[in-house]
Amino acid sequence: GAVVSQHPSWVICKSGTSVKIECRSLDFQATTMFWYRQFPKQSLMLMATSNEGSKATYEQGVEKDKFLINHASLTLSTLTVTSAHPEDSSFYICSASQQGRRVGNQPQHFGDGTRLSIL
Amino acid sequence: EDQVTQSPEALRLQEGESSSLNCSYTVSGLRGLFWYRQDPGKGPEFLFTLYSAGEEKEKERLKATLTKKESFLHITAPKPEDSATYLCAVQVNSGYSTLTFGKGTMLLVSP
Repeated sequence: GAVVSQHPSWVICKSGTSVKIECRSLDFQATTMFWYRQFPKQSLMLMATSNEGSKATYEQGVEKDKFLINHASLTLSTLTVTSAHPEDSSFYICSASQQGRRVGNQPQHFGDGTRLSIL
Repeated sequence: EDQVTQSPEALRLQEGESSSLNCSYTVSGLRGLFWYRQDPGKGPEFLFTLYSAGEEKEKERLKATLTKKESFLHITAPKPEDSATYLCAVQVNSGYSTLTFGKGTMLLVSP
């Protein structure tokens, strides 16, 4: 149980392109989803917390207009990297939690990540 | 500021050579400590959650323990398939369920 699917697994595109990444919880309802960014040999850095039906909460230093997050249903959250540039190249990982933000000690279950390369 | 420090950064073991990974944390109020395993190019895979000092959990060759300042992941008689990066993360007492991750320990088990 607790499977999270992330798509696509890798993307290569030209600078200036917008890229959408999907994160789905396959066998549970995810009231909260999280988006992380990971650089080589570094740990996961939280970008934003996404609650179903409300606006995402972004971490300090993460541009809201650059990284658009939509959590329209209990099983789907999307991250759109708008007008991507080479410095946006990274490994993006989503996770989902079965409980809402005030009941927090259930584990987060992670997707397999999206490798984004901007040329 | 919540901090999580993992050591060592990298560890190389021979198959069957038991060892421990360390996760030290400084937080305002611990709600839970989580261990994950991450294979190259993959997302983290959940292993354990520990909630209070003195708690222990086991899964196959892995055993996680927790004190008020640190957690250990003990690996008994490791096999090559245990090679991965092991991540520790903490969740604090607040209205949010966000995790703060350490940088991980990269484990390589040689046959």
